[in-house]
Amino acid sequence: GDSVTQMEGPVTLSEEAFLTINCTYTATGYPSLFWYVQYPGEGLQLLLKATKADDKGSNKGFEATYRKETTSFHLEKGSVQVSDSAVYFCALRGATALIFGKGTTLSVSS
Amino acid sequence: ETGVTQTPRHLVMGMTNKKSLKCEQHLGHNAMYWYKQSAKKPLELMFVYSLEERVENNSVPSRFSPECPNSSHLFLHLHTLQPEDSALYLCASSQVWGQRGGSYEQYFGPGTRLTVT
Repeated sequence: GDSVTQMEGPVTLSEEAFLTINCTYTATGYPSLFWYVQYPGEGLQLLLKATKADDKGSNKGFEATYRKETTSFHLEKGSVQVSDSAVYFCALRGATALIFGKGTTLSVSS
Repeated sequence: ETGVTQTPRHLVMGMTNKKSLKCEQHLGHNAMYWYKQSAKKPLELMFVYSLEERVENNSVPSRFSPECPNSSHLFLHLHTLQPEDSALYLCASSQVWGQRGGSYEQYFGPGTRLTVT
């Protein structure tokens, strides 16, 4: 069945470092892809999305490009801040709901 | 109120208790979801309701009983739970899946942190 695989965390970075969180997927066809973020004590928030191949989603300095050749949707940010510390989830559109990866914890120190 | 709200935010219950979790969405959506989030485990989809009809039940034990009385409200009734049921329970809503022009974005509430003692 359809699935999402994310890199294992935690990812620990210093402020202003470059961030990459890898995400690959297995799916029939080319479903919409998403990144969600979960801050401590909160629910998941949509961070960005891409609906078709080669689309680039972006928001708050984060970017991800839908690559059908490599079935990937890696999340990147050029300069992370302490406030970006959270858990990041990659997801794809399933048959009846979103299918999520296991999540990657990001910790940014000043 | 805006977005998706969940009450209570925290709940401690004994194994013999009966309690209910409530979710309300103010987004005009007509599909709602329950997810379970346990430590060190991926998000588990429990139930899906679309236009108030249950369309998915992912082998969830019968001690969890969902109810969707209208498109804005979703409940999860709990009874005779086990300690391993302790988790964060997340509610989400969206437009009906597959709806023409739909975005497939799900909007989440803050969750109910459940502890079973």
